[in-house]
Amino acid sequence: DTGVSQDPRHKITKRGQNVTFRCDPISEHNRLYWYRQTLGQGPEFLTYFQNEAQLEKSRLLSDRFSAERPKGSFSTLEIQRTEQGDSAMYLCASGRGNEQFFGPGTRLTVL
Amino acid sequence: RKEVEQDPGPFNVPEGATVAFNCTYSNSASQSFFWYRQDCRKEPKLLMSVYSSGNEDGRFTAQLNRASQYISLLIRDSKLSDSATYLCVVNMLLASKGMRFGAGTRLTVKP
Repeated sequence: DTGVSQDPRHKITKRGQNVTFRCDPISEHNRLYWYRQTLGQGPEFLTYFQNEAQLEKSRLLSDRFSAERPKGSFSTLEIQRTEQGDSAMYLCASGRGNEQFFGPGTRLTVL
Repeated sequence: RKEVEQDPGPFNVPEGATVAFNCTYSNSASQSFFWYRQDCRKEPKLLMSVYSSGNEDGRFTAQLNRASQYISLLIRDSKLSDSATYLCVVNMLLASKGMRFGAGTRLTVKP
C-alpha cells in the first residue's frame, strides 16, 4: 500500500453514462497525476496538478474528460458520455519530488 | 513519434542470465529519468532513477546518454522474482509537463 487511494476500484457503466473517480494522494504531496492504462501498454499521461493548479492536460483527452483538484488535496476525474473505448484502468499517482507513488487504480468497463 | 519508446519484448530468459532493456526519448527538454517496475495487475513502482553518470543498485545498472537521448537498464544474475514489466519514464517537470511512460518491456525469468 503506497498511501494513495482511489475510489471506486471497479466501475461498470453503460455507454453514454457519466462516471467520476476519486483519488486521495499522500497528504504532503503537492503533485498529482492521472494516467490511463490499457492491456499491454504503459500508463498514458492524462493530466497533472501542482497543488490545485492543472498544469498540463494531454491533447489525447477529449472534451468529455475533466479533472479537478479543488483544494490541492484529493482529485476527481470525470468522464462524460462514456464510450466503449474509455474502458481502461485509470491510475492516479502523487509525488513531491521526482518519484511518483501510484494508487491501485480504478478499472472502468463501458458496456 | 511516441515521446518514449522501448524494446517491445517480451524477453524470456533463464535464471542467472543478464538482460538489457533500451529506451529512447524524443523531447530534449526531458530532465530526469527513471525505471519503474509493474507486476501483473499491480500499480507501477519506482525501481531506480537514472543519472548521467550511470548508477547501480545491486544487480541493476541504469545508464543515460543525453546526447543520444537513450536510457538503458541492465539486470545481472536474473531471478525468478525479476519477472515483471519494466517501464521507462521521462520527466519534464521544469517544463510544467508531467511524466511520460514507455509502453513497457515484459520480462519473464524461467527456472
